[in-house]
Amino acid sequence: EDQVTQSPEALRLQEGESSSLNCSYTVSGLRGLFWYRQDPGKGPEFLFTLYSAGEEKEKERLKATLTKKESFLHITAPKPEDSATYLCAVQALNSGYSTLTFGKGTMLLVSP
Amino acid sequence: DAGITQSPRHKVTETGTPVTLRCHQTENHRYMYWYRQDPGHGLRLIHYSYGVKDTDKGEVSDGYSVSRSKTEDFLLTLESATSSQTSVYFCAISEPGDRGSYEQYFGPGTRLTVT
Repeated sequence: EDQVTQSPEALRLQEGESSSLNCSYTVSGLRGLFWYRQDPGKGPEFLFTLYSAGEEKEKERLKATLTKKESFLHITAPKPEDSATYLCAVQALNSGYSTLTFGKGTMLLVSP
Repeated sequence: DAGITQSPRHKVTETGTPVTLRCHQTENHRYMYWYRQDPGHGLRLIHYSYGVKDTDKGEVSDGYSVSRSKTEDFLLTLESATSSQTSVYFCAISEPGDRGSYEQYFGPGTRLTVT
């Protein structure tokens, strides 16, 4: 059974204070690992797909990295508008209809 | 924006009544999904569809049924709503990514309260 564990559950940062969110996963062959951002009262918004260990993707202050067992979402010099819940999900190679398994998310609060 | 709308956006209903939630997409996506999101559980897959009249169960399908009579609409029905089905429901579609994966894009959600 595919599993995704995200840590910490919640993180409070000061503006400009860089940090990382963790996503540990077990999957029977990884097709892709996905990061989403979710604002309160809205649907998840797609950020990145990572496919293989060593891969990195960047978008503004966010950088996602992938190893064989975990992914990190690094947030550099965050701003209050980066406050959101960040979700990680995996898609297995044997996922016939592109289903995803999600973690419970990390709630990030960035204070000015 | 993947052209996904959900209706209604908010609904309050009583225990034992039937409820139907609608997901509508405008871009001819083949795959569609229904999730529920609850505190402490994250997003959990209820049902999904891989074409017109082709559907299958997800992780938490008990008490739910779905129908897809045309490509653009995917309906989720609670035959007899219970308080445990109070949740936020999200519809998603998937599109092929760069290297064989399928990226999912989500609608705005429906907040359902069963009293």
